[in-house]
Amino acid sequence: EVQLLESGGGLVQPGGSLRLFCAASGFTFNSYAMSWVRQAPGKGLEWVSTIGDSGGSTYYAGSVKGRFTISRDNSNNTLYLQMNSLRAEDTAVYYCAKVAYQLLNWFDPWGQGTLVTVSS
Amino acid sequence: DIVMTQSPDSLAVSLGERATINCKSSQSVLYSSNNKNYLAWYRQKPGQPPKLLIYWASTRESGVPDRFSGSGSGTDFTLTITSLQAEDVAVYYCQQYYTTSYTFGQGTKLEIK
Repeated sequence: EVQLLESGGGLVQPGGSLRLFCAASGFTFNSYAMSWVRQAPGKGLEWVSTIGDSGGSTYYAGSVKGRFTISRDNSNNTLYLQMNSLRAEDTAVYYCAKVAYQLLNWFDPWGQGTLVTVSS
Repeated sequence: DIVMTQSPDSLAVSLGERATINCKSSQSVLYSSNNKNYLAWYRQKPGQPPKLLIYWASTRESGVPDRFSGSGSGTDFTLTITSLQAEDVAVYYCQQYYTTSYTFGQGTKLEIK
């Protein structure tokens, strides 16, 4: 069974940094692209970033480009999201998701999410 | 970026009746080389992550009840739930994966009338 477990969320001050983790199991991690999607409290889904299976290609939403960095460790089946220069509007639940088969595919499954709160 | 617009924003339907949710993309998500629409539908129940229902606009994910169906092509898509059940109360999202700037619709909240 595919499992995705996010961690690393918490309370951080504006301008601060945080690193999110997504531990993957149940599938051949290095064969699939992975994504981060966030959801602000009471709001809809916003795609954040995607990384190719080898880590050689990365894609970002305009709202986080230059501040967030996606990466992966295929030897440890872990996806990361380094978040710098955090703003109040980055407050959200952050989900990691497996991209189904190839880069231009749907997201399935999703993890349970980790909450990031940016506030002073 | 491709903008995805869902309608309505919220919907109340009686148990056993049909629910219809629309999704419109700002540009076509039909890839001519394979004639596939790069469009997915998800359901998100309160306190849970989104769950995939439909991909390629009309292919039902394994295990999804056949009362869920997707249709449409190009820029206009529809998710139909026939014979609404209580457990279908959720927010429904469409998503385009035609480009690597993936985008979601704003969501449609489905409630029981």
